[in-house]
Amino acid sequence: GESVGLHLPTLSVQEGDNSIINCAYSNSASDYFIWYKQESGKGPQFIIDIRSNMDKRQGQRVTVLLNKTVKHLSLQIAATQPGDSAVYFCAERIINDYKLSFGAGTTVTVRA
Amino acid sequence: DGGITQSPKYLFRKEGQNVTLSCEQNLNHDAMYWYRQDPGQGLRLIYYSQIVNDFQKGDIAEGYSVSREKKESFPLTVTSAQKNPTAFYLCASSTVSQETQYFGPGTRLLVL
Repeated sequence: GESVGLHLPTLSVQEGDNSIINCAYSNSASDYFIWYKQESGKGPQFIIDIRSNMDKRQGQRVTVLLNKTVKHLSLQIAATQPGDSAVYFCAERIINDYKLSFGAGTTVTVRA
Repeated sequence: DGGITQSPKYLFRKEGQNVTLSCEQNLNHDAMYWYRQDPGQGLRLIYYSQIVNDFQKGDIAEGYSVSREKKESFPLTVTSAQKNPTAFYLCASSTVSQETQYFGPGTRLLVL
């Protein structure tokens, strides 16, 4: 889940700027983390994942950072585009468990 | 064209009626999941199945039932015991070796 202190439910970003979406996870036994993007009325779409033995992973225009010391996960989107407007969820999986636990999500709005 | 399909896209339920939501996948995934999403909230796990003819309750199973007679199919029945069924229902699947869950397009259930 996400702690109120680190999680912002909404984020407004100027087109072309970089976006940073934060997520605090709750269980130190979590070993796998995923970021999903959900557009209005659609199912969540996989963006990027990271295992607990890594602290950074890069994809196309996205980077996920993992800080296990403070149980914090972030998603960075470079050069944010209008098509990036959506709700972004982080999910954690506890080791040896099939289930994912989802945060409440951050709504990202890109300003033209 | 591989993926997860859910039908119908919209479903209307009358008081006291049971309704069944369909979920089919042709990804050859062993595990399948049902989630419920309410406005502004994250996903909550209803039921999941790791293998044919076996399934487990998630966090909010009351008022719901499932079956897993085929690997490709995991239908969800919303029974009359579910007093607040209005929500967006999402089906997902994953392999055993890869933890990432892939989602279908969702079914929106409304009560008449």
